[in-house]
Amino acid sequence: GQQVMQIPQYQHVQEGEDFTTYCNSSTTLSNIQWYKQRPGGHPVFLIQLVKSGEVKKQKRLTFQFGEAKKNSSLHITATQTTDVGTYFCAGSTGNQFYFGTGTSLTVIP
Amino acid sequence: NAGVTQTPKFRILKIGQSMTLQCTQDMNHNYMYWYRQDPGMGLKLIYYSVGAGITDKGEVPNGYNVSRSTTEDFPLRLELAAPSQTSVYFCASSYGVSAGYTFGSGTRLTVV
Repeated sequence: GQQVMQIPQYQHVQEGEDFTTYCNSSTTLSNIQWYKQRPGGHPVFLIQLVKSGEVKKQKRLTFQFGEAKKNSSLHITATQTTDVGTYFCAGSTGNQFYFGTGTSLTVIP
Repeated sequence: NAGVTQTPKFRILKIGQSMTLQCTQDMNHNYMYWYRQDPGMGLKLIYYSVGAGITDKGEVPNGYNVSRSTTEDFPLRLELAAPSQTSVYFCASSYGVSAGYTFGSGTRLTVV
C-alpha cells in the first residue's frame, strides 16, 4: 500500500536555529499537503503543493516538492517557540491522503 | 462558523461496549473523513465519504462502521470495543478531493 515516510521523528533546536523535515513516498504523488499539530491539538492545514519542483513560502516556512513528485520538505528559518508542534506531510495519489508519521519539533528558548 | 465539531471529547469504554462518535460540519463540504492517531504515529484513515449516501473504507476499517445520510453528519460507530481501539479519533472535511482538510478537535477514547 501507499507509504509516506517522514524524517526525523524528533528534532530539538535552540530558538533561532533552522529546522527541516523531509517526506518521502514510495510512489509518485499527485500532490502533497503539510499540516501542523500543536501539543494536545488537532492538525491544521498549512499548504498544498501540486507541481513538480514547486517551492512555496509562508513567512519563515519554505515548502518544496521534488522534481519526481516523490519527496517534499518543510524548512523553518530562525525557529521561534511558537513553532513547537508536530509537522505532518500527507501525500495523495487519488481519493485519499496518506499521512507521514510526523516530525515533533521542540524549540529550546 | 463552527467548522468541524466532534463529540464527545473524551470517553472511557469497557471491552465489548459500543458507541458512536459524532461529527458534524457546517461548511457544506462533500468530503468527510475519519482518522485515528496513536501515540508517535501519523494519522490512519478509517473511513471516508465523498458525499451523502456514499462511504468507503480506508486503511484501517476493521471494527468500525460509518454512515452518511446528510452532507453535514458523518458518525463513526464502534461495535464491541477492544483495547486496540484506544486512540484519538479525528474527523475531517474538505470541499474537494485535493483540498486542505479541516479537522475537528478530536475524541480521546480509552477502552479498558
